[in-house]
Amino acid sequence: AQSVAQPEDQVNVAEGNPLTVKCTYSVSGNPYLFWYVQYPNRGLQFLLKYITGDNLVKGSYGFEAEFNKSQTSFHLKKPSALVSDSALYFCAVRDSGGYQKVTFGIGTKLQVIP
Amino acid sequence: DSGVTQTPKHLITATGQRVTLRCSPRSGDLSVYWYQQSLDQGLQFLIQYYNGEERAKGNILERFSAQQFPDLHSELNLSSLELGDSALYFCASSQDWGSGTGETQYFGPGTRLLVL
Repeated sequence: AQSVAQPEDQVNVAEGNPLTVKCTYSVSGNPYLFWYVQYPNRGLQFLLKYITGDNLVKGSYGFEAEFNKSQTSFHLKKPSALVSDSALYFCAVRDSGGYQKVTFGIGTKLQVIP
Repeated sequence: DSGVTQTPKHLITATGQRVTLRCSPRSGDLSVYWYQQSLDQGLQFLIQYYNGEERAKGNILERFSAQQFPDLHSELNLSSLELGDSALYFCASSQDWGSGTGETQYFGPGTRLLVL
């Protein structure tokens, strides 16, 4: 079975500081990994995904994520946080072997403090 | 704007009633997914359809059912509603059915259901 964990319910960061939102996963094969963002009263928006290749993936709005196979992690990062980045962030995973549905984490609320 | 549309935006109904939520996928997308988001359960996958056929089932109650029509729009039917069914219901669409190289899902704005 596949699973994904987001160990922090909330992350607070000052505007202009770097931010990290953590995600770890478990799959039996190779993972496909995703980050989505949800702004208040909106649907989820795709940020970035890792399929294969370079471990550092760049996505929308200046976000990037680093795939670390040995630590089974896919942390989301941004060098300089904006107040407008405040939202709920979801990590998701699916096993590349055969067909598997995507499993979403419970979400991490990011609060950027002015 | 993701290109996925959902109607209605809000729905208020009473316990025991039945409602239908509608979703139109992005142009060209063949897969439709339904999710339930509540404060205590997070984002729960309910069911997926691909080109009219059920592809995967998640934590969907027997009181709930869905279908995808020939024009690819989908409907989620919720019956014998209970207070605990109050939640945000999202539809998402993607191009393929899940065997590809990691399909991206595009989410609609959601339907907020309140059961009184």
